[in-house]
Amino acid sequence: AQSVAQPEDQVNVAEGNPLTVKCTYSVSGNPYLFWYVQYPNRGLQFLLKYITGDNLVKGSYGFEAEFNKSQTSFHLKKPSALVSDSALYFCAVRPDSSASKIIFGSGTRLSIRP
Amino acid sequence: ETGVTQSPTHLIKTRGQQVTLRCSSQSGHNTVSWYQQALGQGPQFIFQYYREEENGRGNFPPRFSGLQFPNYSSELNVNALELDDSALYLCASSPDPGRTEAFFGQGTRLTVV
Repeated sequence: AQSVAQPEDQVNVAEGNPLTVKCTYSVSGNPYLFWYVQYPNRGLQFLLKYITGDNLVKGSYGFEAEFNKSQTSFHLKKPSALVSDSALYFCAVRPDSSASKIIFGSGTRLSIRP
Repeated sequence: ETGVTQSPTHLIKTRGQQVTLRCSSQSGHNTVSWYQQALGQGPQFIFQYYREEENGRGNFPPRFSGLQFPNYSSELNVNALELDDSALYLCASSPDPGRTEAFFGQGTRLTVV
């Protein structure tokens, strides 16, 4: 079955430190990969995507993600965390270009302490 | 701002009733998808409409139905509401069905009592 796993329900990081939010996927072929962020009582905001090309993709607010095909992972990273980065982060995959649905992980709550 | 707006923002309904949720997509976005996000979970795909026709459906029963209109607006209708239908319902639009990311609205919080 096609799925996305975010193994950590919560990640706690001190402000200024690097952060990583983990994501692995189980989808055959060449999927499209996304990260979205959700603030309280808000919809999802797009952060970045991987379709093809360079395995390191850069997105909004200084975030980046590294695609690793052999490990089927797409971890979200930021070199220096800000308190304002505290939110709920979702990894997602579109199985292929013809797929209509996006499959989301269960989410990871990122908490940045001052 | 994504340019995708949903109404209403909050709604309370009684079990067995019917509800209609509305979404206004970005101009030029001819694809709209609906997702259900239960508390503490990731969004689950309900269905997608492309040029006013259903273009894919997730594992939701037929009492979940939709419409898309030429003016980039769309509706999600749910009949015979159940308590488990309580969730945040998200609308997402994109220029085409498969290639790009989707732009989400702020959602409608539905509570079924």
